[in-house]
Amino acid sequence: QLQESGPGLVKPSETLSLSCTVSGGSISSGRSYWGWIRQPPGKGLEWIGNIYYSGTTYYNPSLKSRVTISVDTSKNQFSLNLTSVTAADTAVYYCARASYYYCYMDVWGKGTTVTVSS
Amino acid sequence: QTVVTQEPSVSVSPAGTVTLTCGLSSGSVSTSYYPSWYQQTPGQAPRTLIYSTNTRSSGVPDRFSGSILGNKAALTITGAQADDESDYYCALYMGSGIWVFGGGTKLTVL
Repeated sequence: QLQESGPGLVKPSETLSLSCTVSGGSISSGRSYWGWIRQPPGKGLEWIGNIYYSGTTYYNPSLKSRVTISVDTSKNQFSLNLTSVTAADTAVYYCARASYYYCYMDVWGKGTTVTVSS
Repeated sequence: QTVVTQEPSVSVSPAGTVTLTCGLSSGSVSTSYYPSWYQQTPGQAPRTLIYSTNTRSSGVPDRFSGSILGNKAALTITGAQADDESDYYCALYMGSGIWVFGGGTKLTVL
């Protein structure tokens, strides 16, 4: 299971920080990527990026300049930082596990709503 | 920038068959893109339906099937039920650890 956590409200120009806690398995298994997907209100899904347990990261080119995904294997967690946020970053943020071999998102968190507003 | 295309909305009659498609703004979708499909109802996280083009995820009814039709990936629902009314998203693996989602299809069962 995956569980997102973090502030539900972030001010414009600040940094959005979320964590995802992995339970029921090891983040270091090597069989999975760990990543983030978001969904603005009334819109579709947008892939943000993934991280492999080794620390190798992969980002959406359109967000790459503002995104950092990191992993803490000791806590079985991975995290998302998104800098210089604007109202356009308001969304439900999902963490997800992606199969390394079959290239799809096989486990999803329930999602957490983040609103960017002063 | 790669754009993955889906029909914005599709309708189907109860017990009918419907096919949703997933294409590329430039080029053809093949199995090399490992097409996957996700179902989402309002307020819920996406649910994985199909991966690697045509493999059903655990617990997914066999009325859902995936394929390549022409130059697109396709999700076919055979014998549509009322609770199939949802948003459906495809995702394509672009390689190098990168995915792109389609814009989603809103399926109405009426």
